[in-house]
Amino acid sequence: AQKITQTQPGMFVQEKEAVTLDCTYDTSDPSYGLFWYKQPSSGEMIFLIYQGSYDQQNATEGRYSLNFQKARKSANLVISASQLGDSAMYFCAMRGETDKLIFGTGTRLQVFP
Amino acid sequence: GAVVSQHPSRVICKSGTSVKIECRSLDFQATTMFWYRQFPKQSLMLMATSNEGSKATYEQGVEKDKFLINHASLTLSTLTVTSAHPEDSSFYICSARDGSGGQETQYFGPGTRLLVL
Repeated sequence: AQKITQTQPGMFVQEKEAVTLDCTYDTSDPSYGLFWYKQPSSGEMIFLIYQGSYDQQNATEGRYSLNFQKARKSANLVISASQLGDSAMYFCAMRGETDKLIFGTGTRLQVFP
Repeated sequence: GAVVSQHPSRVICKSGTSVKIECRSLDFQATTMFWYRQFPKQSLMLMATSNEGSKATYEQGVEKDKFLINHASLTLSTLTVTSAHPEDSSFYICSARDGSGGQETQYFGPGTRLLVL
């Protein structure tokens, strides 16, 4: 069975600072993908970044980077130079060989001036 | 990038009526679409996986006779909530996977807020 755990229900960060959102996962699939999505108050799910289990390098997309530690089964999201518009819910998700995307419980990020 | 649309964005209905939600992939063909439900302050829960031309696969605990899914074409999937009740009030989000893409190409629609009175 697959499981995604996000232990931080809420995080605060000051504008222009970096913040790390934690995500751990559990799966027995040899091949899997890890995703981060942002959900603002409007409800839409915005894809941020993807990491494949066999990728040798950590994924980066602009101000987003994924700190992938396979042995620890963690896939933390790092947001650099936080902006007020980054305030939202952030969900970590995993897709294994069942082809289903399973989500964690989310972390609410608040960026303050 | 790829766009997935949902219609309607909001719907209010009386208890006992049926509500149909459409999910369309606008610029790619989606061999697989997924339906999720999200209650307030909770995560997205997968309801069912919809494959074009075949029956949907429902997750455990999801009533297939209550949540009818039809994936009639490579760009359209519909979710019908039959005989809706107040406990069905939720945020329903569809997701479409680009059949020609890699692992990362799964896109979400903007969601539909359903309120059953």
